[in-house]
Amino acid sequence: GESVGLHLPTLSVQEGDNSIINCAYSNSASDYFIWYKQESGKGPQFIIDIRSNMDKRQGQRVTVLLNKTVKHLSLQIAATQPGDSAVYFCAEKFNTDKLIFGTGTRLQVFP
Amino acid sequence: DAGITQSPRHKVTETGTPVTLRCHQTENHRYMYWYRQDPGHGLRLIHYSYGVKDTDKGEVSDGYSVSRSKTEDFLLTLESATSSQTSVYFCAISDRGAGGSTDTQYFGPGTRLTVL
Repeated sequence: GESVGLHLPTLSVQEGDNSIINCAYSNSASDYFIWYKQESGKGPQFIIDIRSNMDKRQGQRVTVLLNKTVKHLSLQIAATQPGDSAVYFCAEKFNTDKLIFGTGTRLQVFP
Repeated sequence: DAGITQSPRHKVTETGTPVTLRCHQTENHRYMYWYRQDPGHGLRLIHYSYGVKDTDKGEVSDGYSVSRSKTEDFLLTLESATSSQTSVYFCAISDRGAGGSTDTQYFGPGTRLTVL
Protein backbone atom coordinates (compact mmCIF):
# COMPACT_ATOMS: atom_id res chain seq x y z
CA GLY A 1 0.00 0.00 0.00
CA GLU A 2 0.95 3.63 -0.16
CA SER A 3 3.32 5.06 2.42
CA VAL A 4 1.92 8.54 1.78
CA GLY A 5 0.08 9.92 4.74
CA LEU A 6 1.60 7.82 7.53
CA HIS A 7 1.16 10.64 10.05
CA LEU A 8 -2.05 12.18 8.85
CA PRO A 9 -4.79 13.21 11.27
CA THR A 10 -7.42 10.51 11.34
CA LEU A 11 -11.17 10.69 11.64
CA SER A 12 -12.89 7.48 12.67
CA VAL A 13 -16.64 7.19 12.15
CA GLN A 14 -19.19 4.46 12.35
CA GLU A 15 -20.87 3.29 9.19
CA GLY A 16 -24.05 5.23 8.64
CA ASP A 17 -22.95 8.29 10.60
CA ASN A 18 -22.18 11.64 9.01
CA SER A 19 -18.54 12.68 8.61
CA ILE A 20 -17.13 16.19 8.69
CA ILE A 21 -13.62 16.77 7.41
CA ASN A 22 -12.08 20.18 7.90
CA CYS A 23 -9.48 22.19 6.05
CA ALA A 24 -7.89 25.54 6.85
CA TYR A 25 -6.69 27.28 3.73
CA SER A 26 -3.86 29.75 3.51
CA ASN A 27 -4.76 32.67 1.30
CA SER A 28 -7.70 35.02 1.79
CA ALA A 29 -7.54 35.84 -1.94
CA SER A 30 -8.16 32.22 -2.98
CA ASP A 31 -11.16 32.04 -5.27
CA TYR A 32 -11.59 28.34 -5.97
CA PHE A 33 -11.50 25.26 -3.77
CA ILE A 34 -11.62 21.53 -4.43
CA TRP A 35 -11.99 18.41 -2.33
CA TYR A 36 -10.25 15.24 -3.43
CA LYS A 37 -10.46 11.65 -2.23
CA GLN A 38 -7.44 9.39 -2.48
CA GLU A 39 -7.64 5.65 -1.92
CA SER A 40 -4.55 3.61 -1.25
CA GLY A 41 -2.51 3.06 -4.39
CA LYS A 42 -4.63 5.37 -6.53
CA GLY A 43 -4.56 8.90 -7.81
CA PRO A 44 -6.61 11.68 -6.22
CA GLN A 45 -10.23 11.65 -7.31
CA PHE A 46 -12.27 14.84 -7.67
CA ILE A 47 -15.23 14.98 -5.29
CA ILE A 48 -16.66 18.49 -5.31
CA ASP A 49 -15.59 22.08 -5.82
CA ILE A 50 -16.78 25.52 -4.80
CA ARG A 51 -16.00 29.08 -5.85
CA SER A 52 -15.50 31.89 -3.39
CA ASN A 53 -18.80 33.58 -4.31
CA MET A 54 -20.64 30.66 -2.72
CA ASP A 55 -20.92 29.47 0.89
CA LYS A 56 -22.28 26.00 0.28
CA ARG A 57 -22.50 23.48 -2.49
CA GLN A 58 -24.11 20.06 -2.46
CA GLY A 59 -23.37 16.93 -4.41
CA GLN A 60 -24.42 13.36 -4.07
CA ARG A 61 -24.08 12.60 -0.32
CA VAL A 62 -21.45 15.34 -0.01
CA THR A 63 -21.66 19.00 0.93
CA VAL A 64 -18.87 21.55 0.94
CA LEU A 65 -19.07 24.59 3.21
CA LEU A 66 -16.88 27.63 2.79
CA ASN A 67 -16.29 30.18 5.56
CA LYS A 68 -14.18 32.94 4.11
CA THR A 69 -14.14 34.91 7.35
CA VAL A 70 -11.97 32.30 9.05
CA LYS A 71 -10.51 30.73 5.89
CA HIS A 72 -12.11 27.40 6.57
CA LEU A 73 -13.45 24.71 4.28
CA SER A 74 -15.32 21.60 5.31
CA LEU A 75 -16.53 18.46 3.59
CA GLN A 76 -19.59 16.72 4.96
CA ILE A 77 -20.31 13.15 3.94
CA ALA A 78 -23.78 11.86 4.73
CA ALA A 79 -24.40 8.26 5.77
CA THR A 80 -20.73 7.33 5.59
CA GLN A 81 -20.01 3.97 3.97
CA PRO A 82 -17.00 1.64 4.10
CA GLY A 83 -16.14 2.70 0.55
CA ASP A 84 -15.65 6.24 1.82
CA SER A 85 -12.51 5.17 3.70
CA ALA A 86 -9.66 7.11 2.14
CA VAL A 87 -7.48 10.18 2.55
CA TYR A 88 -9.31 13.43 1.84
CA PHE A 89 -7.57 16.69 1.06
CA CYS A 90 -8.51 20.14 -0.03
CA ALA A 91 -6.90 22.40 -2.57
CA GLU A 92 -7.12 26.14 -3.16
CA LYS A 93 -6.33 28.41 -6.08
CA PHE A 94 -5.58 32.11 -6.11
CA ASN A 95 -4.74 34.20 -9.12
CA THR A 96 -2.50 31.64 -10.81
CA ASP A 97 -2.65 28.49 -12.90
CA LYS A 98 -1.76 26.42 -9.87
CA LEU A 99 -3.50 24.64 -7.02
CA ILE A 100 -2.11 24.51 -3.48
CA PHE A 101 -2.86 21.24 -1.73
CA GLY A 102 -3.32 20.43 1.95
CA THR A 103 -1.74 17.34 3.48
CA GLY A 104 -5.02 15.54 4.10
CA THR A 105 -7.14 13.71 6.66
CA ARG A 106 -7.54 9.96 6.81
CA LEU A 107 -11.16 8.82 7.14
CA GLN A 108 -11.69 5.39 8.66
CA VAL A 109 -15.15 3.87 8.62
CA PHE A 110 -15.86 1.03 11.00
CA PRO A 111 -18.93 -1.21 11.09
CA ASP B 1 -9.04 8.49 -14.08
CA ALA B 2 -10.55 10.88 -16.64
CA GLY B 3 -8.74 9.41 -19.65
CA ILE B 4 -5.25 9.76 -18.19
CA THR B 5 -2.62 7.06 -18.23
CA GLN B 6 0.86 7.09 -16.77
CA SER B 7 3.78 4.86 -17.64
CA PRO B 8 5.53 3.10 -16.17
CA ARG B 9 3.40 2.51 -13.06
CA HIS B 10 6.40 1.33 -11.07
CA LYS B 11 10.11 1.83 -11.60
CA VAL B 12 13.24 1.07 -9.63
CA THR B 13 16.43 2.71 -10.81
CA GLU B 14 19.89 3.55 -9.56
CA THR B 15 21.31 6.90 -8.56
CA GLY B 16 22.72 8.78 -11.51
CA THR B 17 20.63 7.15 -14.21
CA PRO B 18 18.20 9.11 -16.40
CA VAL B 19 14.50 8.39 -16.01
CA THR B 20 11.54 9.49 -18.13
CA LEU B 21 7.94 9.24 -17.01
CA ARG B 22 5.12 9.60 -19.47
CA CYS B 23 1.64 11.02 -19.08
CA HIS B 24 -0.91 10.47 -21.83
CA GLN B 25 -4.40 11.98 -21.99
CA THR B 26 -7.32 11.40 -24.32
CA GLU B 27 -9.35 14.43 -23.17
CA ASN B 28 -7.68 17.07 -25.34
CA HIS B 29 -7.20 19.27 -22.28
CA ARG B 30 -4.88 22.22 -22.62
CA TYR B 31 -3.20 22.09 -19.22
CA MET B 32 -1.08 19.24 -17.92
CA TYR B 33 0.78 19.04 -14.60
CA TRP B 34 3.38 16.88 -12.88
CA TYR B 35 3.28 16.52 -9.10
CA ARG B 36 5.16 14.49 -6.55
CA GLN B 37 3.60 13.16 -3.38
CA ASP B 38 5.65 12.41 -0.27
CA PRO B 39 4.73 11.59 3.34
CA GLY B 40 4.11 14.74 5.36
CA HIS B 41 3.66 16.90 2.29
CA GLY B 42 0.72 17.76 0.14
CA LEU B 43 1.00 17.29 -3.58
CA ARG B 44 3.81 19.51 -4.80
CA LEU B 45 3.95 20.88 -8.31
CA ILE B 46 7.07 20.07 -10.31
CA HIS B 47 6.28 21.54 -13.73
CA TYR B 48 3.22 22.26 -15.75
CA SER B 49 2.27 22.93 -19.35
CA TYR B 50 -0.33 25.32 -20.72
CA GLY B 51 -0.02 24.19 -24.31
CA VAL B 52 2.20 22.38 -26.78
CA LYS B 53 5.79 23.46 -26.13
CA ASP B 54 4.61 25.85 -23.41
CA THR B 55 5.84 24.88 -19.95
CA ASP B 56 6.62 26.53 -16.64
CA LYS B 57 8.24 25.60 -13.36
CA GLY B 58 6.48 24.64 -10.17
CA GLU B 59 7.71 24.82 -6.59
CA VAL B 60 10.03 21.77 -6.73
CA SER B 61 11.41 21.88 -10.28
CA ASP B 62 15.13 21.44 -9.51
CA GLY B 63 16.46 18.21 -11.03
CA TYR B 64 13.49 17.78 -13.36
CA SER B 65 12.74 18.77 -16.93
CA VAL B 66 9.62 18.38 -19.04
CA SER B 67 8.58 18.33 -22.66
CA ARG B 68 5.28 18.54 -24.44
CA SER B 69 5.46 18.02 -28.21
CA LYS B 70 1.83 16.93 -28.56
CA THR B 71 -1.36 17.90 -26.75
CA GLU B 72 -1.83 14.39 -25.43
CA ASP B 73 1.64 13.67 -24.05
CA PHE B 74 3.61 15.30 -21.23
CA LEU B 75 7.00 13.82 -20.33
CA LEU B 76 8.86 14.27 -17.06
CA THR B 77 12.61 13.58 -17.11
CA LEU B 78 15.01 13.14 -14.26
CA GLU B 79 18.35 13.71 -15.97
CA SER B 80 20.35 12.07 -13.17
CA ALA B 81 18.14 10.47 -10.55
CA THR B 82 18.91 10.94 -6.86
CA SER B 83 17.53 9.14 -3.81
CA SER B 84 15.65 12.31 -2.83
CA GLN B 85 13.57 11.86 -5.98
CA THR B 86 12.11 8.61 -4.68
CA SER B 87 8.43 9.45 -4.63
CA VAL B 88 5.04 8.85 -6.17
CA TYR B 89 4.54 11.00 -9.24
CA PHE B 90 1.13 12.09 -10.46
CA CYS B 91 0.10 13.67 -13.69
CA ALA B 92 -2.99 15.88 -13.82
CA ILE B 93 -4.94 17.60 -16.56
CA SER B 94 -7.22 20.60 -16.66
CA ASP B 95 -9.40 22.22 -19.26
CA ARG B 96 -8.65 25.62 -17.80
CA GLY B 97 -8.79 28.43 -20.36
CA ALA B 98 -11.23 26.74 -22.69
CA GLY B 99 -14.75 28.04 -23.30
CA GLY B 100 -16.68 27.33 -20.10
CA SER B 101 -13.32 26.87 -18.46
CA THR B 102 -12.80 25.10 -15.20
CA ASP B 103 -9.89 25.06 -12.77
CA THR B 104 -10.58 21.47 -11.79
CA GLN B 105 -7.62 19.15 -12.14
CA TYR B 106 -8.06 15.44 -12.80
CA PHE B 107 -5.34 13.01 -11.85
CA GLY B 108 -3.79 9.92 -13.33
CA PRO B 109 -3.08 6.72 -11.40
CA GLY B 110 0.50 7.62 -10.46
CA THR B 111 4.00 6.23 -10.93
CA ARG B 112 5.93 4.92 -7.97
CA LEU B 113 9.63 5.65 -8.49
CA THR B 114 12.36 4.25 -6.27
CA VAL B 115 15.92 5.50 -6.68
CA LEU B 116 18.47 3.25 -4.99
